[in-house]
Amino acid sequence: GAGVSQTPSNKVTEKGKYVELRCDPISGHTALYWYRQSLGQGPEFLIYFQGTGAADDSGLPNDRFFAVRPEGSVSTLKIQRTERGDSAVYLCASSQGHTGELFFGEGSRLTVL
Amino acid sequence: GENVEQHPSTLSVQEGDSAVIKCTYSDSASNYFPWYKQELGKGPQLIIDIRSNVGEKKDQRIAVTLNKTAKHFSLHITETQPEDSAVYFCAASEGTYKYIFGTGTRLKVLA
Repeated sequence: GAGVSQTPSNKVTEKGKYVELRCDPISGHTALYWYRQSLGQGPEFLIYFQGTGAADDSGLPNDRFFAVRPEGSVSTLKIQRTERGDSAVYLCASSQGHTGELFFGEGSRLTVL
Repeated sequence: GENVEQHPSTLSVQEGDSAVIKCTYSDSASNYFPWYKQELGKGPQLIIDIRSNVGEKKDQRIAVTLNKTAKHFSLHITETQPEDSAVYFCAASEGTYKYIFGTGTRLKVLA
């Protein structure tokens, strides 16, 4: 069975540009999460979806970050007016309900020049 | 909010020796403590977890211990093998989705 799939695996962009990162969770998993991992650090929580709705977006650093999950499956993390400090690996995870084991994807490495 | 500290940041052991990684947490409400292994270019993978109603859990060569009073938990790997080389992260949560991760331990198992 397929795991959590994230695209692109690598994204290089210029400061000020708009970026979209996609996550395809494990089939049947209702819960989806975005985490951000900076170099040499542990993952930091960004947002949690239960179904189509964002149940908790308290980890989003500012209003340049937004995420959607319109059909309760695939999710897109959107970053506007990117800044160099946004450079990190963006990890997506999914689980069976919000108390189940988190299965992480391999991440999307974002580099903002 | 919760704060998780992890030590050491790097650890080198000879193949066959044991490795111990320690974490402390600050929020007494935390009741779920997973450990993740992350290999280069991969996402973190759960290797073992423990809930606050248990003091120790073992799975083959891996064990985790939890001291709720002192708010610390540890990962123990026995009979280490080269394939155990990776970055290990501890985490704490209130039993839900919002994991607070430690800063990671890079384990090197020397053949």
